[in-house]
This record gives sequence, C-alpha cells and structure tokens, in this order.
Amino acid sequence: EVQLVESGGVVVQPGGSLRLSCAASGFTFDDYTMHWVRQVPGRGLEWVSLISWEGTGTSYADSVKGRFTISRDNRDNSLYLQMNSLRHDDTAFYYCAKGHVDAGMVLDQWGQGTLVTVSS
Amino acid sequence: DIVLTQSPGTLSLSPGERATLSCRASQSVAVFLAWYQQKPGQAPRLLIYSASSRASGIPDRFSGSGSGTDFTLTINRLEPEDSAVYYCQEYGRAPKLTFGGGTKVEIK
Repeated sequence: EVQLVESGGVVVQPGGSLRLSCAASGFTFDDYTMHWVRQVPGRGLEWVSLISWEGTGTSYADSVKGRFTISRDNRDNSLYLQMNSLRHDDTAFYYCAKGHVDAGMVLDQWGQGTLVTVSS
Repeated sequence: DIVLTQSPGTLSLSPGERATLSCRASQSVAVFLAWYQQKPGQAPRLLIYSASSRASGIPDRFSGSGSGTDFTLTINRLEPEDSAVYYCQEYGRAPKLTFGGGTKVEIK
C-alpha cells in the first residue's frame, strides 16, 4: 500500500524558514516524479513544485520560485520542501503527491497534508 | 498561463441522478486533463486522467470526456458518498500544471 506522510508544518513568523518532509513507502520511490501541492483551508488547490525521479529536474510555481527548494533523498525514500522568506499567503496545508506511472504530471497518490501557518 | 474555469460552482442533486461538471481551458491542453475528488478533511483522490481514462479502483459511474479546451466529468447514478469538491487539472504545459477552482457537488 502506498503511503505518503508529511511532517514539519508549524507556526512560523513572516520572513522565516521551514523544511517540510514527506516519507514515502509502498512503492519504488526513485521511479517516480514527486510533487508538492498546497491548499489554503477552505480554498482550492495550488501546485507548488515537482522533482524528477533522479532529482536533477525541478519546476516551481511562479508564486514560490526563488523562495522554495524541492529536493529528494532516494536512499531514504524522502521528499523535502525548503521554504524561505515565508509570507502570510504561504499559509496552507501542504500535500506531497506521487506522479502517475504513465503521466508524471498526474498525481495519483496523496499524503494527508501538513499545515503551515505564517503568522506573527 | 493556462486558466481552468470550472462550472457550475455548486451542483445540488438527488441520489440516482446524473451530475455533469464542466472544465474549460483558456487554451488547448489536448487531452492532458485530470479530475480529482476531495471530500471534507481528506486529501484529493485521482479519478480521471488523459481526459477519459479512469484511475485504478474508480467506479465506472465516473467518466470523463473532451479534448482541446472543453472537458466534462459525468457522475452517473449519484450516491451520497459522491458529495465532494471536484477539481480539474491540466498538464499540457509540463513541467508546470494548473488546477481549476473546483465544483462542489451536494447530494440532497
């Protein structure tokens, strides 16, 4: 059974930094593109970032480019999101998601999310 | 950037009825479109990808159609458990992707 478990969400001050983690199990982690998606409570979904299976290809939403960095450790089956220069509008649930085997840009498994609150 | 517009905002139907949800893209995404279901307090679940292919384990009551800029998610024989928000997502301009604003389906 595929499991994705996010952690690291806390309350952080504007301008602060945070690193989110996602522990993956139940599939061959280094075969798949992985993503981060966020959702303001009660609002819609916003794609944040992706990383290729080997970790050399990354892409970011314009809203986080230059502030967030996605990475992965295929030895530990872990995905990360380093978040710097945090702003109030970064407050959201952050989900890690696995790319589909036939289409890496389709998100076929999701974690339960971790809440990041940016507040003074 | 591609904008996905979903309509209606809310759909209120009775069990057994058919739901028809629309997703319109601001420019062609060919068939690179997926649909997700999200119930309150849960993560999204993939329903449809490549516009019309059902994901693993999804009942055949759910079907997708369309190409280019106009797409439809149809839910036949609505059940109370289908109450959720449904999102479309395009992936026609990899390596970025976009979600629509969602349609809420309420079962009376």
